[in-house]
Amino acid sequence: QQPVQSPQAVILREGEDAVINCSSSKALYSVHWYRQKHGEAPVFLMILLKGGEQKGHEKISASFNEKKQQSSLYLTASQLSYSGTYFCGTGTGAGSYQLTFGKGTKLSVIP
Amino acid sequence: NAGVTQTPKFRVLKTGQSMTLLCAQDMNHEYMYWYRQDPGMGLRLIHYSVGEGTTAKGEVPDGYNVSRLKKQNFLLGLESAAPSQTSVYFCASSYSKVGTTDTQYFGPGTRLTVL
Repeated sequence: QQPVQSPQAVILREGEDAVINCSSSKALYSVHWYRQKHGEAPVFLMILLKGGEQKGHEKISASFNEKKQQSSLYLTASQLSYSGTYFCGTGTGAGSYQLTFGKGTKLSVIP
Repeated sequence: NAGVTQTPKFRVLKTGQSMTLLCAQDMNHEYMYWYRQDPGMGLRLIHYSVGEGTTAKGEVPDGYNVSRLKKQNFLLGLESAAPSQTSVYFCASSYSKVGTTDTQYFGPGTRLTVL
């Protein structure tokens, strides 16, 4: 079943922060975050595995809450280059071959 | 390294025509995937392969066939194209299962229109 992302869209001014959530009704083993700019391929950002470890990548970080089967992506001090659609892909086991992707969150950063 | 490449980048078909999309990767990845992306739907898995000579169905396999005769190539075929197959098709590959620290790397996509 497809994970649910929220919000569907968000508009930020440069320097503002945003949180994107990804929730699943299934028990998750891994959550993969991607960013896709218009007309381009999705680009990998980070993976979180079962264990609740928070990860960071410059000003973008993420957490994984096993109890809630939810992951959150945090974008701080947003830049124009952060604009795009963010997708979470979820895996349900260590032996998973497949990722199931959410419908995406469109982030627009304006000057 | 070219990474994951897809051929062609754009294609227009008439209903009932057939075509094959080619995906190639030079990263010696074991796993390969075909997705379709439609507005507001995210990425949906069509078929995937866990190694040379193997294929399996994903979430939306109807109307598509695949083959993995060589480890580096994964072909997606449409035998009789329908307007509902108008979409952007992405190929991806990964070295190992997605439940590890590995992830999938995507090609640039093929934009297909079926009239």
